[in-house]
Amino acid sequence: AQTVTQSQPEMSVQEAETVTLSCTYDTSESDYYLFWYKQPPSRQMILVIRQEAYKQQNATENRFSVNFQKAAKSFSLKISDSQLGDAAMYFCAYRSETSGSRLTFGEGTQLTVNP
Amino acid sequence: DTAVSQTPKYLVTQMGNDKSIKCEQNLGHDTMYWYKQDSKKFLKIMFSYNNKELIINETVPNRFSPKSPDKAHLNLHINSLELGDSAVYFCASSQISPGEYTDTQYFGPGTRLTVL
Repeated sequence: AQTVTQSQPEMSVQEAETVTLSCTYDTSESDYYLFWYKQPPSRQMILVIRQEAYKQQNATENRFSVNFQKAAKSFSLKISDSQLGDAAMYFCAYRSETSGSRLTFGEGTQLTVNP
Repeated sequence: DTAVSQTPKYLVTQMGNDKSIKCEQNLGHDTMYWYKQDSKKFLKIMFSYNNKELIINETVPNRFSPKSPDKAHLNLHINSLELGDSAVYFCASSQISPGEYTDTQYFGPGTRLTVL
């Protein structure tokens, strides 16, 4: 079974600085998708960024980018120029076709942004 | 325009009661899901329906029964509620394209269920 691990339960960053959240996963498949979701205190799950495993280029969405290392099964999220509104719980998630399209989530990383 | 909506957002009830949570999506997606988020914020899939057909049924007590009257709706009925059912329940939807691995799941706002 696939597993997703986020080894940092909590992280903090100063406003305007850069922070990297770690995620590793375990799978025997070659085709899959990886996601980062953000859950602010409102508890709404918001998609931040997604990465297809067959693409070598790292995904980027404005201030958010990933470092996808397929061989190492690592998928970290970098947030540049951190803003107060970035404070939230961040979840890494995995999905493959053989898993029936379900998302398997990591435990989450609580990000605090200090002014 | 709300893409995935759930009602109610909060539900407080006594042990032993039966309750339902409703979910509707207006994205035209063919697949819907129920996830449970426990007190430690861990999210886990419960069920998934594709075009009204059950495709994922995790190890969930029989007291939980999903119902999909059409592909835009997926309701969750829970019988004989127990204290351990207290959690946040999220509905989500996506479009599965045959032969492609391109679906992104969009989540509803969640329903916080508290069983007393």
